Amino acid sequence: GQSLEQPSEVTAVEGAIVQINCTYQTSGFYGLSWYQQHDGGAPTFLSYNALDGLEETGRFSSFLSRSDSYGYLLLQELQMKDSASYFCAVRAPHSGGYQKVTFGTGTKLQVIP
Amino acid sequence: DAGVIQSPRHEVTEMGQEVTLRCKPISGHDYLFWYRQTMMRGLELLIYFNNNVPIDDSGMPEDRFSAKMPNASFSTLKIQPSEPRDSAVYFCASSPRQGSTDTQYFGPGTRLTVL
Repeated sequence: GQSLEQPSEVTAVEGAIVQINCTYQTSGFYGLSWYQQHDGGAPTFLSYNALDGLEETGRFSSFLSRSDSYGYLLLQELQMKDSASYFCAVRAPHSGGYQKVTFGTGTKLQVIP
Repeated sequence: DAGVIQSPRHEVTEMGQEVTLRCKPISGHDYLFWYRQTMMRGLELLIYFNNNVPIDDSGMPEDRFSAKMPNASFSTLKIQPSEPRDSAVYFCASSPRQGSTDTQYFGPGTRLTVL
């Protein structure tokens, strides 16, 4: 099976940079995704890493190290609207030749003035 | 595209009643997922379908839960009989295919309260 670990809460100041870490244990691995969820809303896709390295999308970047079973989401120039929960999710092989995505428990980010 | 559509958005029912949640995935997506989210257990995958066929239902908590996908544009999650511990937000998500960008598109969710 798969298991993921991420911090439950992080607090950061508006305009600063914050890094949300995710470590995982899987039987096989295809990629790591990140999702954002505002209170009362649905998860929305942010990024996906299949290969080692940094992927940048505007103020958000995601990093993956397959050898360390580790990834992180980096949020720059934090804005109040970035206050939300952030989930990492790992895609891994599943029976029958399929793939399965397992979500972490989420990190609640609070951005303060 | 309208995105993933779920109904109802809110459901309040009494213990023992049957509850049916509905989902319309994004047209052309091959995969459909049902999730349950609670404060205690986080986001749990209940079941997923590929081309209308259930692939993995290992997350379905009990026999009281069942899911169907009679065609590519409609799926239901049924709880019979419902219990207070089933209270949660239930999300439906769809995905165009496996691999690649791994994007799942979530619906707005159904907030279920069982009294």
